[in-house]
Amino acid sequence: ETVMTQSPTSMSTSIGERVTLNCKASQSVGINVDWYQQTPGQSPKLLIYGASNRHTGVPDRFTGSGFGRDFTLTISNVEAEDLAVYYCLQYGSIPLTFGSGTKLEIK
Amino acid sequence: EVQLVESGGGLVQPGRSLKLSCAASGFTFSNYGMAWVRQAPTKGLEWVATISYDGSSTYYRDSVKGRFTISRDNAKSTLYLQMDSLRSEDTATYYCARHRNSGSMDAWGQGASVTVSS
Repeated sequence: ETVMTQSPTSMSTSIGERVTLNCKASQSVGINVDWYQQTPGQSPKLLIYGASNRHTGVPDRFTGSGFGRDFTLTISNVEAEDLAVYYCLQYGSIPLTFGSGTKLEIK
Repeated sequence: EVQLVESGGGLVQPGRSLKLSCAASGFTFSNYGMAWVRQAPTKGLEWVATISYDGSSTYYRDSVKGRFTISRDNAKSTLYLQMDSLRSEDTATYYCARHRNSGSMDAWGQGASVTVSS
């Protein structure tokens, strides 16, 4: 099983700042990584697929990058609505595995 | 508009069974693989099972193999999850999700709550 390790577990930032969330795979997964956003009380939403492709309707403030084992999600110009837990997912091998999430708090 | 609506959740005793349904609309259901993902209270997301667009292939996480069965009825645009021999650790909100042609899940339902307790 490919273990996805996210860091940090939580972070606090201010409106307008830029933040970087990290996800490290226990083995290479190529570009088979997504990022999902789960706002309080809501279902997860796909933000980034294939490591770096923005899903339809996702603001260009969200940028994904990485290959192999190391992946990042960068949120530029953070807005209040970005308060959420962000999960990475690898789909390179079965079982599909999620990271444990990064909780983004707004100061 | 793509919609996925789960139903069938509830409170069930350990060892008993429950069947979840997910009604799909707004897209050609038979063209897409589908998945179930669960989330235990205050915990993260956990993939449970995936079924191919035509139902010919199914995949499960080890902890549910032999107890859960994913299936679909393309004529009814409905996805199912039959859950047998339920355990307390199966307590979670169960989401159905649509797979893109890769593994990504680009549409999610609102979730169905399953509580396994005596």
